[in-house]
Amino acid sequence: DQQVKQNSPSLSVQEGRISILNCDYTNSMFDYFLWYKKYPAEGPTFLISISSIKDKNEDGRFTVFLNKSAKHLSLHIVPSQPGDSAVYFCAASAGPGFQKLVFGTGTRLLVSP
Amino acid sequence: KAGVTQTPRYLIKTRGQQVTLSCSPISGHRSVSWYQQTPGQGLQFLFEYFSETQRNKGNFPGRFSGRQFSNSRSEMNVSTLELGDSALYLCASSRAGGQEETQYFGPGTRLLVL
Repeated sequence: DQQVKQNSPSLSVQEGRISILNCDYTNSMFDYFLWYKKYPAEGPTFLISISSIKDKNEDGRFTVFLNKSAKHLSLHIVPSQPGDSAVYFCAASAGPGFQKLVFGTGTRLLVSP
Repeated sequence: KAGVTQTPRYLIKTRGQQVTLSCSPISGHRSVSWYQQTPGQGLQFLFEYFSETQRNKGNFPGRFSGRQFSNSRSEMNVSTLELGDSALYLCASSRAGGQEETQYFGPGTRLLVL
């Protein structure tokens, strides 16, 4: 049972445009959400997170939006750059307590010049 | 500061064998988590160790086990390997394993079971 779903396995965007990556979850106990980026042959790298008490968190070109009623979160990258090309994973955890991340299956983003 | 290191990076084993993977966390980090990444399932949580104790466990069979040493280094063991165990095994570390602490991942160990 996939509790965190990324229904788009891939996304192609032109440089300078907005990239929107989506993630849905089913477990209403999740209260902390994260996005990780992964390049080939490297481990995932933390990008941005959001607590369930917020509906938006921004960090430079990256913004995460959380819609709790729809159990949906999205990552916006503006403007997209070729170096953003990677696999993006959303993850969730149910706290308080210890770290146990539940990951989605990832979306491969390709930003073309 | 050195990142999370994992050894070996690549491993080939045959069915029925056992394997031990190693993870050295970032200096000062006491929490180590292990994940399995497969194409169909994404990253799945295996277990988390803190101060040499397993604090949290995912839904994997008992063939998957781990331990943590006093210097926070951790090992993961898989016994009686099956073809389906072929995967990228990632470990991640954080200071104390709090929910909102960033987990830093290593590059992973790619295991191929023939």
